[in-house]
Amino acid sequence: QVQLVESGGGVVQPGRSLRLSCAASGFSFSIYGMHWVRQAPGKGLEWVAVIWYEGINKYYLDSVKGRFTISRDTSKNTLYLQMNSLRPDDTAVYYCARGTNQSPRDIWGQGTLVTVSS
Amino acid sequence: DIQMTQSPSSLSASVGDRVTITCQASQDISNFLNWYQQKPGQAPKLLIYDASNLETGVPSRFSGRGSGTEFTFIISTLQPEDIATYYCQHHDSLPITFGQGTRLGIK
Repeated sequence: QVQLVESGGGVVQPGRSLRLSCAASGFSFSIYGMHWVRQAPGKGLEWVAVIWYEGINKYYLDSVKGRFTISRDTSKNTLYLQMNSLRPDDTAVYYCARGTNQSPRDIWGQGTLVTVSS
Repeated sequence: DIQMTQSPSSLSASVGDRVTITCQASQDISNFLNWYQQKPGQAPKLLIYDASNLETGVPSRFSGRGSGTEFTFIISTLQPEDIATYYCQHHDSLPITFGQGTRLGIK
């Protein structure tokens, strides 16, 4: 079964760190671009980051650049998002999504909620 | 950044109606546009990619058209299960951006 399963969300204080994971199964993880997209409570969708299939090219939303790091471990079929210096406006459900290098596409995880609050 | 403007932000229609949602890009994005459906508590689901291509397994009552800056998403015959929020999303350049969403309800 083709699926993505996120984990690692939770409640964290401003300024602290959190690492999200996205476990892929049922497909060849290494040939797809992978994305993180977030959705603040009651709001729309916001693209956060992409890592190309080869794991070298990485691009970020300006507001997370320098704080968030996207990575992938092909041996574990897992995508990561290391989030440092978290701010209250990072509070959102974070989705991982399979796609091309240019866009999320057809497979999305169920999402994991990150709440940044003191 | 390319801004995506969807309209309307919400609408109500009756079962069987034809529903149209538009999405305008702030600059030419060719056909690099996707449409998603999101139901409450669920992840987005890809319906249309590259402006007019129906994703595998998606009912044929959904369609999309347009290029450049003007795009249209159509549900030909509204069904009760189509109640959701719909988003357009460009992938012409980074950052990828989404429209603000259109919340579709039943009259």
